[in-house]
Amino acid sequence: AQTVTQSQPEMSVQEAETVTLSCTYDTSESDYYLFWYKQPPSRQMILVIRQEAYKQQNATENRFSVNFQKAAKSFSLKISDSQLGDAAMYFCAYRHLYNFNKFYFGSGTKLNVKP
Amino acid sequence: DAMVIQNPRYQVTQFGKPVTLSCSQTLNHNVMYWYQQKSSQAPKLLFHYYDKDFNNEADTPDNFQSRRPNTSFCFLDIRSPGLGDAAMYLCATSFSGSSSDTQYFGPGTRLTVL
Repeated sequence: AQTVTQSQPEMSVQEAETVTLSCTYDTSESDYYLFWYKQPPSRQMILVIRQEAYKQQNATENRFSVNFQKAAKSFSLKISDSQLGDAAMYFCAYRHLYNFNKFYFGSGTKLNVKP
Repeated sequence: DAMVIQNPRYQVTQFGKPVTLSCSQTLNHNVMYWYQQKSSQAPKLLFHYYDKDFNNEADTPDNFQSRRPNTSFCFLDIRSPGLGDAAMYLCATSFSGSSSDTQYFGPGTRLTVL
């Protein structure tokens, strides 16, 4: 089975600064998707960004971008110009390209944003 | 707005007393999932429905059951809740058939077992 590892249980960042959350995964597949989800306190989990493994270009969504290193099986999330509303648990997730129904989640990183 | 709705948001039950959690969706997605999430942990998949086909995870206890009477609704039944079943239960949906699809989550139901 695939495993997803987030080695940083908790991180802090000053408002307006940049922070990078780490994620590594283990798979023998070549085609898959990677996701970052955000779960604010007492609120629902929402998709932040998605990366297709066959694309070399790193995905970007406004202040959120990823550094996808396929050979190293690394998928980090960079948050630029951090805002108080970015404070949340962030989960990295993996899904095989053709196994639509199975998502594997990491253990999460709690991000604190200091004013 | 299309969405995933879970009711109730908070549920308190007694040890051993059956409880049912509800999930509905307006996304018309054909796959619905139930996850258990304990504090500061990753969501753990319990089972999912692909259309009417039920898919149980190997390590999901028999105490947990699910029903999907139609496309829009899915229920999680806990037949005899134990203290260890206290958790957040997340419902999610996706559309299988779109390779670039992701999961959409409901707000969760927090279950307390007394």
